[in-house]
Amino acid sequence: DAGVIQSPRHEVTEMGQEVTLRCKPISGHNSLFWYRQTMMRGLELLIYFNNNVPIDDSGMPEDRFSAKMPNASFSTLKIQPSEPRDSAVYFCASSLWDTPGGYTFGSGTRLTVV
Amino acid sequence: AQRVTQPEKLLSVFKGAPVELKCNYSYSGSPELFWYVQYSRQRLQLLLRHISRESIKGFTADLNKGETSFHLKKPFAQEEDSAMYYCALRAGTALIFGKGTTLSVSS
Repeated sequence: DAGVIQSPRHEVTEMGQEVTLRCKPISGHNSLFWYRQTMMRGLELLIYFNNNVPIDDSGMPEDRFSAKMPNASFSTLKIQPSEPRDSAVYFCASSLWDTPGGYTFGSGTRLTVV
Repeated sequence: AQRVTQPEKLLSVFKGAPVELKCNYSYSGSPELFWYVQYSRQRLQLLLRHISRESIKGFTADLNKGETSFHLKKPFAQEEDSAMYYCALRAGTALIFGKGTTLSVSS
């Protein structure tokens, strides 16, 4: 397995534009998590899915953020419209439901909004 | 409230010195705790979990429920240990992470 795959690796966009980040979890994993990493706040949980169903989106900062998981092998995180304060590294992670084994993280997408 | 606190943003030590990365948590249930590590330009990876009571790369961590702590220790630091370390608490399915501590080991 290639692990959790995120795309793009880097994204630079102008303020006001729509940004879509993509994640392919490990095959067979049924939980998927989106995190945002910044120097000031560390790793923040944005939203997570179990069996493609959103369970907790209380970490999504604003209505400008939305996430979907249309099937077990794909998820998107969308920001519309984007703002400079959204600049961060966005990580996707997957795991088996209720496993003590921890998560497998993707390489992250570094988003810069100018 | 569920919370993980890592009080040090940066810890600098010399090679061969002992290392202790502090982690305190707040959780009403039975805690399950982890340490993750992120080396430069690499993805986050699981270092160890308290239920396994294991030692990975010379690191150990003991859960102290009385002090609500899960400090990460290594008796002799190596330069290759330089990385960002995150303590995490499992709350339901999701992990709550601390803000992380950067460990810098110099010769």
